[in-house]
Amino acid sequence: GAGVSQSPRYKVAKRGQDVALRCDPISGHVSLFWYQQALGQGPEFLTYFQNEAQLDKSGLPSDRFFAERPEGSVSTLKIQRTQQEDSAVYLCASSLPGATGELFFGEGSRLTVL
Amino acid sequence: GESVGLHLPTLSVQEGDNSIINCAYSNSASDYFIWYKQESGKGPQFIIDIRSNMDKRQGQRVTVLLNKTVKHLSLQIAATQPGDSAVYFCAERSPSNSGYALNFGKGTSLLVTP
Repeated sequence: GAGVSQSPRYKVAKRGQDVALRCDPISGHVSLFWYQQALGQGPEFLTYFQNEAQLDKSGLPSDRFFAERPEGSVSTLKIQRTQQEDSAVYLCASSLPGATGELFFGEGSRLTVL
Repeated sequence: GESVGLHLPTLSVQEGDNSIINCAYSNSASDYFIWYKQESGKGPQFIIDIRSNMDKRQGQRVTVLLNKTVKHLSLQIAATQPGDSAVYFCAERSPSNSGYALNFGKGTSLLVTP
């Protein structure tokens, strides 16, 4: 597609449920990032993939968060046993390899945990 | 009631006036800076970027100024229009950032009144 596509756009989960958020990056973009954006805050880095390799997961807030990109294209962010503090917008971004600059963001998946 | 995290700095300008949004950064090793615009319910959208070997860069109606001495970045929007109303984030990257990930500031809300 022309841009980064994320689904679902909105997800409501009961506390304790597992959720999976999908990101389809721009074709040809080998770098993929997940960010978490709490209400009224700037995006916070979660994890980074280069192709299928997860090279940095230092921003994942707990071991309940897991991300994968098995074929180097589509990525899934999974949150197990969701908690209320997980409520946020989860943004996916992709970029060309190397220090070319701009990250291209999707519209985000808004997660609300009740 | 009041919610934690909604206290974004807010700039209110009249349509047609010029806007200046400021941002401070802390990492003297940062070599790339970028401004994003985020409208409600959407992902961040690229506005303009600047590398650390420059102190000014101009785009269409926008100018970014970089003062590395005081670690300050500003975004100037000329002849502000109602469509410019959004939250604006500055972001920076240092060479040590994994995959050239961006670190975002907290954002400034720009409100343009007719």
